[in-house]
Amino acid sequence: SQQGEEDPQALSIQEGENATMNCSYKTSINNLQWYRQNSGRGLVHLILIRSNEREKHSGRLRVTLDTSKKSSSLLITASRAADTASYFCATDVILETSGSRLTFGEGTQLTVNP
Amino acid sequence: DTEVTQTPKHLVMGMTNKKSLKCEQHMGHRAMYWYKQKAKKPPELMFVYSYEKLSINESVPSRFSPECPNSSLLNLHLHALQPEDSALYLCASSHASMNTEAFFGQGTRLTVV
Repeated sequence: SQQGEEDPQALSIQEGENATMNCSYKTSINNLQWYRQNSGRGLVHLILIRSNEREKHSGRLRVTLDTSKKSSSLLITASRAADTASYFCATDVILETSGSRLTFGEGTQLTVNP
Repeated sequence: DTEVTQTPKHLVMGMTNKKSLKCEQHMGHRAMYWYKQKAKKPPELMFVYSYEKLSINESVPSRFSPECPNSSLLNLHLHALQPEDSALYLCASSHASMNTEAFFGQGTRLTVV
């Protein structure tokens, strides 16, 4: 079952504005990851934040994690038309075996208008 | 090489057909995954292979049969599928350790007629 919920479901902004997407989850996690997907093709990993971290930056991306509230946010600053895509958060839990068990949120469709 | 290659990109099959989806990576990853994604929905985990052994089967119907012949290859054998199985099938790989990102292929868009 999916444990992540994202809001908003859709976000439309102008180029140059900031975009904020939120993710909530239900169970304890090992880390939380954000992925981007263009036009229903493959997912591209954006950033991973561990459960003991509160904030992480990568270029124009800023991710926060609040484990007490079981929530995370992704901020994209100075957005560009090329940022138009679907964005998914994914929670990762510790497995008895190796590897990951990613559970994806419902996703946010971001449209950046030129 | 940071690519996960999936073939074919598109597949149309009848309900009585047998087909296979293929996935290949050369990043030395020892964990590989199959996900299923319906339109406008998030990916859902189907199978996890760890060191070429099946470690997770998310109660997937037996008409989907995964196979990991070696550390670089992952197959998904399809037989007697239903139209509701039409979806984007995504393969991914990662290091078999904690706190590691997954690399996804571009997917196979499957249509069952």
